[in-house]
Amino acid sequence: AQSVTQPDIHITVSEGASLELRCNYSYGATPYLFWYVQSPGQGLQLLLKYFSGDTLVQGIKGFEAEFKRSQSSFNLRKPSVHWSDAAEYFCAVGSSGGYNKLIFGAGTRLAVHP
Amino acid sequence: GAVVSQHPSRVICKSGTSVKIECRSLDFQATTMFWYRQFPKQSLMLMATSNEGSKATYEQGVEKDKFLINHASLTLSTLTVTSAHPEDSSFYICSPAGGGTNTEAFFGQGTRLTVV
Repeated sequence: AQSVTQPDIHITVSEGASLELRCNYSYGATPYLFWYVQSPGQGLQLLLKYFSGDTLVQGIKGFEAEFKRSQSSFNLRKPSVHWSDAAEYFCAVGSSGGYNKLIFGAGTRLAVHP
Repeated sequence: GAVVSQHPSRVICKSGTSVKIECRSLDFQATTMFWYRQFPKQSLMLMATSNEGSKATYEQGVEKDKFLINHASLTLSTLTVTSAHPEDSSFYICSPAGGGTNTEAFFGQGTRLTVV
């Protein structure tokens, strides 16, 4: 069965520090992978997505993610975190090879210290 | 990206009453609608999938008689939580999907339901 695992429930970083949020997926073929961000009480905003091609994808707000098939991972990174990045981050995989019906990871809550 | 309008954003209702949540796709035809819910401090879980003009398909563990989904048009779908109970308190998010060249999911703003 398809699944997404985000091992870190909470992460705290200092403003200006680098960030890496981990995501591992289980899927038989090449997956459609996504990272979304959710601010408190808000909907979801797409940060970036991977379908095929270059395994390092650039997203909005300075985020990037790298698809590593050998590790079944799609980790999200940012070189320098801003206080406004504090939010909940969800990794998702397209169910059954699609990109609309998604399976989400449990989420990682990011706190940023000044 | 696509424009999705979900209403209301917040609702508080008494236990035993029903609540209707609307989801509109404003600039594309939503042949399919996904409804997700998110319990506090948890992830989003798919509740049901509906196709315009057809009955919805519910995920395991989701009561179809409690969560009524209507998808009568290509721009509007509604989720009605019937006889709501406090355990139904959650964040509900719609995600319309249609044809065309879109390669990502679009989401409504979400509805925070609190049942007291």
